[in-house]
Amino acid sequence: GIQVEQSPPDLILQEGANSTLRCNFSDSVNNLQWFHQNPWGQLINLFYIPSGTKQNGRLSATTVATERYSLLYISSSQTTDSGVYFCAVDPGNQFYFGTGTSLTVIP
Amino acid sequence: DAGVIQSPRHEVTEMGQEVTLRCKPISGHDYLFWYRQTMMRGLELLIYFNNNVPIDDSGMPEDRFSAKMPNASFSTLKIQPSEPRDSAVYFCASSRGTGATGELFFGEGSRLTVL
Repeated sequence: GIQVEQSPPDLILQEGANSTLRCNFSDSVNNLQWFHQNPWGQLINLFYIPSGTKQNGRLSATTVATERYSLLYISSSQTTDSGVYFCAVDPGNQFYFGTGTSLTVIP
Repeated sequence: DAGVIQSPRHEVTEMGQEVTLRCKPISGHDYLFWYRQTMMRGLELLIYFNNNVPIDDSGMPEDRFSAKMPNASFSTLKIQPSEPRDSAVYFCASSRGTGATGELFFGEGSRLTVL
């Protein structure tokens, strides 16, 4: 199956800092999503972004499907941004998840 | 609109007991997925349904696991008999279509502990 690699695996930020999370995938995809798993375990949809750029408040995402990667930008990080960020890609039949980036934002 | 609804949220049981997890997908969604999350293996797909029909169950770990979707608004994942290594968080998710059309939405998960 398709390989999904996320980097970095772990990230610690001071509150207010910016960060970029990366997702690389090994084959063409029809669909890509970013999720945030909060400390309570809930998986929250961030972006549904098979291509292009989207923004939602302090978060934005860019997917370059032809080069098989996606980036998630977090600006002015807050402690509530802590958790694990997952990238999931769908080549046409099901979603495959990366192993996630664990983000800790310290006050 | 209600999201994906799972029950129970927490289940503690003893080895050998039967466990049944339940899921109600978002109305109008024609795909339903069962995932398992553990520290060691991350998020892994167990089985998914399209229009109530199981499409791919290759992720089901062994015959102790079974899943059904008797109608468009209800699915169950059953483990019989349960073992301590089945302890995990089980997520149900649904989407309207897949591929270029299907955004995936997750329930809050069922945390299973088998003693």
